[in-house]
Amino acid sequence: AQSVAQPEDQVNVAEGNPLTVKCTYSVSGNPYLFWYVQYPNRGLQFLLKYITGDNLVKGSYGFEAEFNKSQTSFHLKKPSALVSDSALYFCAVRDGADSSYKLIFGSGTRLLVRP
Amino acid sequence: GAVVSQHPSRVICKSGTSVKIECRSLDFQATTMFWYRQFPKQSLMLMATSNEGSKATYEQGVEKDKFLINHASLTLSTLTVTSAHPEDSSFYICSGQSDTPYEQYFGPGTRLTVT
Repeated sequence: AQSVAQPEDQVNVAEGNPLTVKCTYSVSGNPYLFWYVQYPNRGLQFLLKYITGDNLVKGSYGFEAEFNKSQTSFHLKKPSALVSDSALYFCAVRDGADSSYKLIFGSGTRLLVRP
Repeated sequence: GAVVSQHPSRVICKSGTSVKIECRSLDFQATTMFWYRQFPKQSLMLMATSNEGSKATYEQGVEKDKFLINHASLTLSTLTVTSAHPEDSSFYICSGQSDTPYEQYFGPGTRLTVT
């Protein structure tokens, strides 16, 4: 069965410092991995995805994520955090072998960037 | 990027009444649409998958007679919450999936409050 774990409920970082939001996954086939951001009372905004190819994926708003197959991880990173990055972040996985195309979401990590 | 809209963004209804939520793909054809439910400070839970012209597939534990889903065209899916009760109050989010590259595009969500 597919699963996604986001071990941190909240991540606190000072503005200008690098940030990391952790995600690990479990699928039986090839993983398709996604990061989304959600602002209060809003839907999900797509940040980036990994399907195949280069393990380092660059996305929107300066975010990037690194696919690590051996550690089954897909951590989200940003070199310099902004206060406006404060939001709820979701990691999601789809099993490439699953024709239903379902996305399984992690529990979410709240990022708080302090000025 | 692909845009998905939802209407209404907020709705308040009385217990026992029915509410319809619309999900539209504005600039692409969505052969598959997904409906999610999100409780406060929690992750997205997939409720059902709908394919244009066929019956929706519901996740385990979701009452299909209570949450009626219709996907009558490639750009419109509707979720009707029948005989709503206060416990149905939640944030409902839909997504549309294009044929390629099998990505989901999320709507802004609908906040349902049942009094």
